[in-house]
Amino acid sequence: DAGVTQSPTHLIKTRGQQVTLRCSPKSGHDTVSWYQQALGQGPQFIFQYYEEEERQRGNFPDRFSGHQFPNYSSELNVNALLLGDSALYLCASSFNTYTEAFFGQGTRLTVV
Amino acid sequence: DQQVKQNSPSLSVQEGRISILNCDYTNSMFDYFLWYKKYPAEGPTFLISISSIKDKNEDGRFTVFLNKSAKHLSLHIVPSQPGDSAVYFCAASQLINTGNQFYFGTGTSLTVIP
Repeated sequence: DAGVTQSPTHLIKTRGQQVTLRCSPKSGHDTVSWYQQALGQGPQFIFQYYEEEERQRGNFPDRFSGHQFPNYSSELNVNALLLGDSALYLCASSFNTYTEAFFGQGTRLTVV
Repeated sequence: DQQVKQNSPSLSVQEGRISILNCDYTNSMFDYFLWYKKYPAEGPTFLISISSIKDKNEDGRFTVFLNKSAKHLSLHIVPSQPGDSAVYFCAASQLINTGNQFYFGTGTSLTVIP
């Protein structure tokens, strides 16, 4: 049983560019959440998708957007990249919105 | 505004002894708490959780204690093993009908010395 898978694992982008990160949830899970983890910090909640809708959103600007597909997989898009967007981006899935979340290995984004 | 705090960035414990990791929170509406373990280059791994209606939950060597009046939770690992060396994050959530978001602490790096 595959767990949460994220792609790519590493990414280098130039300031001002756009990036798309992808996540496949654990089998049987229908809820996907995205987190940003800066160096030395805990994960910070970006948003959560359930039934293809954004259900919850953290304190992130509109440059951060997402999507959930009918197969429950999800994408995180970040526009107009800033140097401060460099971080580990974690995807977490759960069965409905109320249970513990299982995390992928993350995508390390570096903005230069 | 850090709603979940882990004030000890690191902890070292001898193998076989007890490890106690602490976490404080400020939002009294939180009703679900979790601990995650993270190894380098991996995503956080769920360890144990506790609902606010309980004050203790045990799973093998891991026990989580919740003190709602003090807004404090702790994770006890007994006995500690070298493989437990990792960064431990506590997280808290308020379960509402539109979903939930987890608020994470900054982590405590545990080193278990053989």
